Amino acid sequence: GNSVTQMEGPVTLSEEAFLTINCTYTATGYPSLFWYVQYPGEGLQLLLKATKADDKGSNKGFEATYRKETTSFHLEKGSVQVSDSAVYFCALANDYKLSFGAGTTVTVRA
Amino acid sequence: GAVVSQHPSRVICKSGTSVKIECRSLDFQATTMFWYRQFPKQSLMLMATSNEGSKATYEQGVEKDKFLINHASLTLSTLTVTSAHPEDSSFYICSAAPDRGNEQFFGPGTRLTVL
Repeated sequence: GNSVTQMEGPVTLSEEAFLTINCTYTATGYPSLFWYVQYPGEGLQLLLKATKADDKGSNKGFEATYRKETTSFHLEKGSVQVSDSAVYFCALANDYKLSFGAGTTVTVRA
Repeated sequence: GAVVSQHPSRVICKSGTSVKIECRSLDFQATTMFWYRQFPKQSLMLMATSNEGSKATYEQGVEKDKFLINHASLTLSTLTVTSAHPEDSSFYICSAAPDRGNEQFFGPGTRLTVL
């Protein structure tokens, strides 16, 4: 079956620090991979995605590369801001269904 | 991006009563809507997929008579938790997609507490 494992949090960082959230997956076939972000009090929003191996998704300074050989899709940002404080979910889509990781809470302190 | 709303945002009910949660796509037509359940500090678990005008498809282990889903129009799906019990207390999230293979847009969620 499909499953997503992501780094447990919470993660607390200072502003301008480097952020990495690890995500690995198991899936049949060739899934698409996603990172979603959930800001306090809001619904999940798509942050970035990659649909095939070696694709790099990027948005708002965040990046993740679809690594088929390591079945990974790690999220990175070089310099975080307080406004990046949120819960981040890694997910995969096989057919049309999404499977999510447990979420990583990130808090960025000024 | 596309906007999906949920109502109510929070609901508290007594054990044995039924609760209806609405999910609306505000600025697009959603052929497909999804219902998820999220436990504290855990991932979203897909409960069911509903397609407008047809019966919902439930995931394994989800009681269809317990969680009634109706998708009567292209902008509205409802989830009714029947004869709710404390173990049904959870965060319920819906998403909507223009079509089954398209990007899903998520609602803000509904916190259900059953006393």
